[in-house]
Amino acid sequence: DQQVKQNSPSLSVQEGRISILNCDYTNSMFDYFLWYKKYPAEGPTFLISISSIKDKNEDGRFTVFLNKSAKHLSLHIVPSQPGDSAVYFCAAISGGGADGLTFGKGTHLIIQP
Amino acid sequence: EPEVTQTPSHQVTQMGQEVILRCVPISNHLYFYWYRQILGQKVEFLVSFYNNEISEKSEIFDDQFSVERPDGSNFTLKIRSTKLEDSAMYFCASSEAWVQPQHFGDGTRLSIL
Repeated sequence: DQQVKQNSPSLSVQEGRISILNCDYTNSMFDYFLWYKKYPAEGPTFLISISSIKDKNEDGRFTVFLNKSAKHLSLHIVPSQPGDSAVYFCAAISGGGADGLTFGKGTHLIIQP
Repeated sequence: EPEVTQTPSHQVTQMGQEVILRCVPISNHLYFYWYRQILGQKVEFLVSFYNNEISEKSEIFDDQFSVERPDGSNFTLKIRSTKLEDSAMYFCASSEAWVQPQHFGDGTRLSIL
């Protein structure tokens, strides 16, 4: 039951260009969305979030866009840097939030010099 | 920057033995979670905990699992009688509120022999 889907297992982007990571969800009860970054042997690190009442949230090089009608969100990283190479997870939460985050399978972003 | 700490980083246990995984959440956080990630699979929610009681648990969190906050700083996950399929990375997380970013520890790799 894939309520949160990240259909690209990997993505390769040249340093300095824009990285766009995509995520789709099926559960219309989700109302808060997050992106996490994960390096090997470390836990997920929170990057940016967005509430369902917004369609965009920006923090430095990171921008998240939410299209509720399409049940789609994306993370833009501009400009991409070598340290951005990691696995990126999309996650969602619904209602009161006590039932935890639902994660996607992740996208491995590789920034090429 | 405050962080969630987990010990041990790697635990090897014989099948059928009890294991306790330990976590120290971020000090001003009141909401605590355990997740697991089986190799090659998604991060999955196990349980959420607030005000000294379980708030929600997934179907994974059966009678073999329990959680406890034995003092003001630690948050533990106990598996009573481990099975081979319990082998996974176990992540602890904490947050200031239900619909706020959850911050993760670096995980405990549990290997059941």
